[in-house]
Amino acid sequence: SAVISQKPSRDICQRGTSLTIQCQVDSQVTMMFWYRQQPGQSLTLIATANQGSEATYESGFVIDKFPISRPNLTFSTLTVSNMSPEDSSIYLCSALLWSGGIYGYTFGSGTRLTVV
Amino acid sequence: SQKIEQNSEALNIQEGKTATLTCNYTNYSPAYLQWYRQDPGRGPVFLLLIRENEKEKRKERLKVTFDTTLKQSLFHITASQPADSATYLCALVLDTDKLIFGTGTRLQVFP
Repeated sequence: SAVISQKPSRDICQRGTSLTIQCQVDSQVTMMFWYRQQPGQSLTLIATANQGSEATYESGFVIDKFPISRPNLTFSTLTVSNMSPEDSSIYLCSALLWSGGIYGYTFGSGTRLTVV
Repeated sequence: SQKIEQNSEALNIQEGKTATLTCNYTNYSPAYLQWYRQDPGRGPVFLLLIRENEKEKRKERLKVTFDTTLKQSLFHITASQPADSATYLCALVLDTDKLIFGTGTRLQVFP
């Protein structure tokens, strides 16, 4: 089955700085997704990233805060900009992959971000 | 408003029993519904998918039902084992291919 590599796995950052999270898929995918999971909570979709077009953001998330790149069909980055402690969370990428006769969602292992 | 709700309290059951987890949703019309397992510090792992025109789906010790009239899915683990202890998430797949997650239920299976 396809693998998604996500890095860094964790980081501790100073407030006001930015962190870029990378996701690499071992096969070409059309759609990639970025999620946030706050402590003890479920996953919240941040944005959908399609190659060759601007990312589509969900309500409550904006491009200036969470710029996304999708330069090709196997790679995407999410930047958390001008961080504050409220941004401390786990960030996960996901891709829609064809596997076993259906499209299924595979997730990276997540990036645990702590902002101090 | 649109909501996907799962039992917020942890479910504690004895090894060998059947665990049943509930997922209820409102104001969505999903193309299909999925169940995921998430272990601490890891991303969700896909378990089962059920389409809107399917009533039941099975995979080994897992069974999922889907009632689009009640807007509810039930997830069963039979002959549960301590290794089944994890958080289980239901997720709706909308026709835009977006995956919207429920709140998750933590399952603890004790020997």
